[in-house]
Amino acid sequence: AQTVTQSQPEMSVQEAETVTLSCTYDTSESDYYLFWYKQPPSRQMILVIRQEAYKQQNATENRFSVNFQKAAKSFSLKISDSQLGDAAMYFCAYRRGANNLFFGTGTRLTVIP
Amino acid sequence: GAGVSQTPSNKVTEKGKYVELRCDPISGHTALYWYRQSLGQGPEFLIYFQGTGAADDSGLPNDRFFAVRPEGSVSTLKIQRTERGDSAVYLCASSPGPGQRGDYGYTFGSGTRLTVV
Repeated sequence: AQTVTQSQPEMSVQEAETVTLSCTYDTSESDYYLFWYKQPPSRQMILVIRQEAYKQQNATENRFSVNFQKAAKSFSLKISDSQLGDAAMYFCAYRRGANNLFFGTGTRLTVIP
Repeated sequence: GAGVSQTPSNKVTEKGKYVELRCDPISGHTALYWYRQSLGQGPEFLIYFQGTGAADDSGLPNDRFFAVRPEGSVSTLKIQRTERGDSAVYLCASSPGPGQRGDYGYTFGSGTRLTVV
């Protein structure tokens, strides 16, 4: 069974600084997708970044980047130049093929002005 | 529509009552998913539709939960004899469908917060 673990229930970062959110997962598959979603108080899950397991290059999206370590089954999210609007719950998620997403328990990020 | 729409936004019901939650996916998206998110938890999978049929309903917790998508677009999640433990946010998501361009991350709605009193 697939499991996704986020060991940091809460994190805080000073505005304009960098923060890294951790995620590990367990799977016996070799081909899959990994995602980071942001959930603000509006409840809508917003896709931040995705990574295909077959790609060795780490994905980046503007201020967001990942450190994907396939052998270690680790998928951390780095947010650079943190902004007040980045404050939210962040969920790591795993998907294999057309199957559904498995989510971690989330990390609440606070951005301090 | 432009996004995934879920109605109602909030629903309060009495224990034992029947409720229906509606999801209107992005136009043209053939895949539709229902998730349940309890307080302090990540979303948990309930059911996945590909077109009109339920391709995977393994996440439905018991036979009080049922979902339909009769025309392959709008879906309704139905909960019979509601219990206080059913209180949660129910999220819906859609995607283009397996093998289709853009089918790697879902688009989620804002959810329905169900409170059973």
